[in-house]
Amino acid sequence: DSGVTQTPKHLITATGQRVTLRCSPRSGDLSVYWYQQSLDQGLQFLIQYYNGEERAKGNILERFSAQQFPDLHSELNLSSLELGDSALYFCASSVDPGDEQYFGPGTRLTVT
Amino acid sequence: AQSVAQPEDQVNVAEGNPLTVKCTYSVSGNPYLFWYVQYPNRGLQFLLKYITGDNLVKGSYGFEAEFNKSQTSFHLKKPSALVSDSALYFCAVRVKGNNRLAFGKGNQVVVIP
Repeated sequence: DSGVTQTPKHLITATGQRVTLRCSPRSGDLSVYWYQQSLDQGLQFLIQYYNGEERAKGNILERFSAQQFPDLHSELNLSSLELGDSALYFCASSVDPGDEQYFGPGTRLTVT
Repeated sequence: AQSVAQPEDQVNVAEGNPLTVKCTYSVSGNPYLFWYVQYPNRGLQFLLKYITGDNLVKGSYGFEAEFNKSQTSFHLKKPSALVSDSALYFCAVRVKGNNRLAFGKGNQVVVIP
């Protein structure tokens, strides 16, 4: 158990819908990262936050957004969902940016 | 730009034989390098990292990695592979500036009983 929690574990929704994925980092970790993993694209970095502020953006679509709250938990919002958005979404955290990251168990999103 | 390359898609090894998973990197400045392992339907687990010091880094589950500056490599090794080592292995490098990690595409390791 890494100490990073993610909810929900599984999510099935229809195209065009909007969902929110939630992540709680390890106690004491200030940095939160979001990744998307699919068979065809592999592990893709989406976005990074540090102590509530956005630090880096990766291959994140405009339909996706995220934030980190004062209590350091983070949410990833996915809207106007398409079939191709079906993937595993991981959250990770670290004490400082650039430290080793600890990954949550992931949320498996299925868009039908 | 900082990046890592994992040249092999899959590594097959017999149980009990040495296991090597290759990684080469491209960075400006001193590299911070990491290895992670992912078991099916699980998140990535941190194995080990190289920051500075001894070129041979020891990590979890009997794994170690050798940093080679002249060859810009950071290969993961295990002297004697177990069937339970079958998993997806990722190499990563810290990106200068925002300090996030850039991951390689991953290597599937299959340990044959």
